[in-house]
Amino acid sequence: NAGVMQNPRHLVRRRGQEARLRCSPMKGHSHVYWYRQLPEEGLKFMVYLQKENIIDESGMPKERFSAEFPKEGPSILRIQQVVRGDSAAYFCASSQLNNEQFFGPGTRLTVL
Amino acid sequence: GESVGLHLPTLSVQEGDNSIINCAYSNSASDYFIWYKQESGKGPQFIIDIRSNMDKRQGQRVTVLLNKTVKHLSLQIAATQPGDSAVYFCAEKEDGYNKLIFGAGTRLAVHP
Repeated sequence: NAGVMQNPRHLVRRRGQEARLRCSPMKGHSHVYWYRQLPEEGLKFMVYLQKENIIDESGMPKERFSAEFPKEGPSILRIQQVVRGDSAAYFCASSQLNNEQFFGPGTRLTVL
Repeated sequence: GESVGLHLPTLSVQEGDNSIINCAYSNSASDYFIWYKQESGKGPQFIIDIRSNMDKRQGQRVTVLLNKTVKHLSLQIAATQPGDSAVYFCAEKEDGYNKLIFGAGTRLAVHP
């Protein structure tokens, strides 16, 4: 049973470009969470999704950031017009309802 | 010893000694707590959890203690090994919400 998969593992973008981060949850998991981690800090919650629904986006910046979890395919975290402050590690986790969250290896975004 | 500065606090221990990592949580409504281990370049890995109706839970070489009166959580690692070297995070979850709130983290350095 493969764990949570994220790709790409490393992503480099220039300021103003778009970044798309993908997350495939563990088999049988229908709940996906995105977290952001700055160096030497803890993870910060961004958004919680179920299939085709955003349940809690209280941690998402109001502009430039969006997330989706379509009926088919991976969850996508999209960052438009990236700025240097978006450079961070972005982690996806998945779970069954109200159960333990399993984390993926993360995508490290660098904005030049 | 333990040092606190601009970077993560670091706990340095000798191989074979016991380690105690502490965490103060913020939300008195939190009812579920988890300890995660994060190695360099990887996602958080579940270690042990505890619900608010308990004050102690033991796993293999690890024990979590919960003091709800002072909102304090600790992780005890027995017979610390070099492979235990990592950053450790506590996380809390409030009943009715699925997002995890992470603490700042403690770096554990195990010396031979």
